[in-house]
Amino acid sequence: EVQLVESGGGLVQPGGSLRLSCAASGFTFSSCEMNWVRQVPGRGLEWLAYISSSGTTIYYADSVKGRITVSRDNARNSLYLQMNTLRADDTAAYYCVRDYGGKPFDCWGQGTLVTVSA
Amino acid sequence: QSVLTQPPSVSAAPGQKVTISCSGSSSNIGSNYVSWYQQFPGTAPKLLIYDNDKRPSGIPDRFSGSKSATSATLGISGLQTGDEADYYCGTWDSSMRRVFGGGTKLTVL
Repeated sequence: EVQLVESGGGLVQPGGSLRLSCAASGFTFSSCEMNWVRQVPGRGLEWLAYISSSGTTIYYADSVKGRITVSRDNARNSLYLQMNTLRADDTAAYYCVRDYGGKPFDCWGQGTLVTVSA
Repeated sequence: QSVLTQPPSVSAAPGQKVTISCSGSSSNIGSNYVSWYQQFPGTAPKLLIYDNDKRPSGIPDRFSGSKSATSATLGISGLQTGDEADYYCGTWDSSMRRVFGGGTKLTVL
């Protein structure tokens, strides 16, 4: 079974940092492009970052560029999102999402909630 | 403010057909494939349509997609109460960034 399991969310103070992880299983992770997407509770979806299967190509949304870093470890079947200088408006559920076989965002994790508050 | 424009809500009766529009520009929908996602409250989104009109395996043919110029449309026929959810369109922009619509809440009356 294809699975993406995010972890690392929680409560963080404004200005703080957090590193989210996504553990992939049930498919060949090293062959898949991956993304991070977030969703503020009650609001729409916001794409944050894309990383190619090898990790050599990375794109970021302008809204978070400079504050986030996406990376992956294909040997560990894991995707990461380092977030710095967090703000209250970064409070959201963060999803790890796969691109596969020409299908964009074909598999989503369950999400991990990040709350930025003093 | 989302890059792609969707109506905030649509509604229809069970058994009827509903369409959800997604409007963009030449730099996104006009030059890239569109996909659609379904999201139930408290759960992650699910891919419904990709490449404008293709359905992943397991998605019923009640769901259809189309694209014309800078707009795309999701159609849902034979509406069921279980179709009540939020629906999002998505595509790429000219710089290969992904963009979404603001989402449409479907109510089956």
